[in-house]
Amino acid sequence: QKEVEQNSGPLSVPEGAIASLNCTYSDRGSQSFFWYRQYSGKSPELIMFIYSNGDKEDGRFTAQLNKASQYVSLLIRDSQPSDSATYLCAVNKGAGNQFYFGTGTSLTVIP
Amino acid sequence: DTEVTQTPKHLVMGMTNKKSLKCEQHMGHRAMYWYKQKAKKPPELMFVYSYEKLSINESVPSRFSPECPNSSLLNLHLHALQPEDSALYLCASSQVIRYEQYFGPGTRLTVT
Repeated sequence: QKEVEQNSGPLSVPEGAIASLNCTYSDRGSQSFFWYRQYSGKSPELIMFIYSNGDKEDGRFTAQLNKASQYVSLLIRDSQPSDSATYLCAVNKGAGNQFYFGTGTSLTVIP
Repeated sequence: DTEVTQTPKHLVMGMTNKKSLKCEQHMGHRAMYWYKQKAKKPPELMFVYSYEKLSINESVPSRFSPECPNSSLLNLHLHALQPEDSALYLCASSQVIRYEQYFGPGTRLTVT
């Protein structure tokens, strides 16, 4: 079982729609959760981080964490073509401070 | 300011060469990381330094040798690399290990 799993996609949404990206993790002891955006040929860019159960909003982005179900999601409202990228979910397990990335979900926003 | 800088941006080296990658941050972060990323794959953690001490070494071959001269600098020394080591090498830093990491732009390494 992988530490962090994401649907690789590709996920396509029309411009202005809500894009929903999901991630599950295997270790219940995981403490910190992150979403990164990566454009082709570029380095990962931190979009959101969340440490507690519930929702966290920042502009058009909302991160949702459910520790009981071991999933974390990212919602992108009013999607723009510039949001087209690969979105990486990352988890810090706490014990031993291991940091794991999912394989990423490719998002395309269609104008 | 959440800037991590890396030099060089591109590096081409032969299998017998010795080269170094450099990373710098001035955010006062006490954890720094090296990752390797191949095309269409997620970053793979190589090394973690916490308070200038090597904290995690993910079974990386000895031809990669990390060094943390001070809390702002991180080096990765390369020697006798193989063509399969060609990849994007990313440096990141965080306040301490558990918290969010900020990535530098990366060094694109090609081993010939």
